[in-house]
Amino acid sequence: DVKVTQSSRYLVKRTGEKVFLECVQDMDHENMFWYRQDPGLGLRLIYFSYDVKMKEKGDIPEGYSVSREKKERFSLILESASTNQTSMYLCASSLLRPPYEQYFGPGTRLTVT
Amino acid sequence: GDSVTQMEGPVTLSEEAFLTINCTYTATGYPSLFWYVQYPGEGLQLLLKATKADDKGSNKGFEATYRKETTSFHLEKGSVQVSDSAVYFCALSKPGNNNDMRFGAGTRLTVKP
Repeated sequence: DVKVTQSSRYLVKRTGEKVFLECVQDMDHENMFWYRQDPGLGLRLIYFSYDVKMKEKGDIPEGYSVSREKKERFSLILESASTNQTSMYLCASSLLRPPYEQYFGPGTRLTVT
Repeated sequence: GDSVTQMEGPVTLSEEAFLTINCTYTATGYPSLFWYVQYPGEGLQLLLKATKADDKGSNKGFEATYRKETTSFHLEKGSVQVSDSAVYFCALSKPGNNNDMRFGAGTRLTVKP
């Protein structure tokens, strides 16, 4: 079974703090993704990576950065957290060949106060 | 651009009722189609998939058939259970576009005993 794990299920941070969300997958997938999920807005892609040290912006990259130093690990960084970044963050991974089905982690619910 | 449209929820059914959640897509070429399920407080889980026209995906009593002529991939289950209460997402991916999975807005299903 594919397993994608995220470092925290729940996180509470203060405005201005630097926040690290980590994701690890154990299936040797090339692609990794970070989404945020908000009521009424569905899933929105923040960043993705198709290889170590490679990254591409998704639909809403502003206020976020990412790091992929190892194939199995993909980190999302909020340089200076703001209240509008309170959300559910979902990590996913997939192979680099069709049909590109994505496998998701359990999510991190981040609250910024 | 490519997109997925699924029926708005919420959908409320009694246990053992028949379920249909409609999904239609707009895409050039030959997308692969997916249904994901999200239980409360969890990430998305792949429920079933179909990679070419007339394919039927099935899992846990759920089925969906890839209909190219109607650009549809409707999710069905003959007899729902309370444990099927969740949010269901239709999604598509395309060859040569491995980073871009398009998700529908999600349909919340509640099954009452």
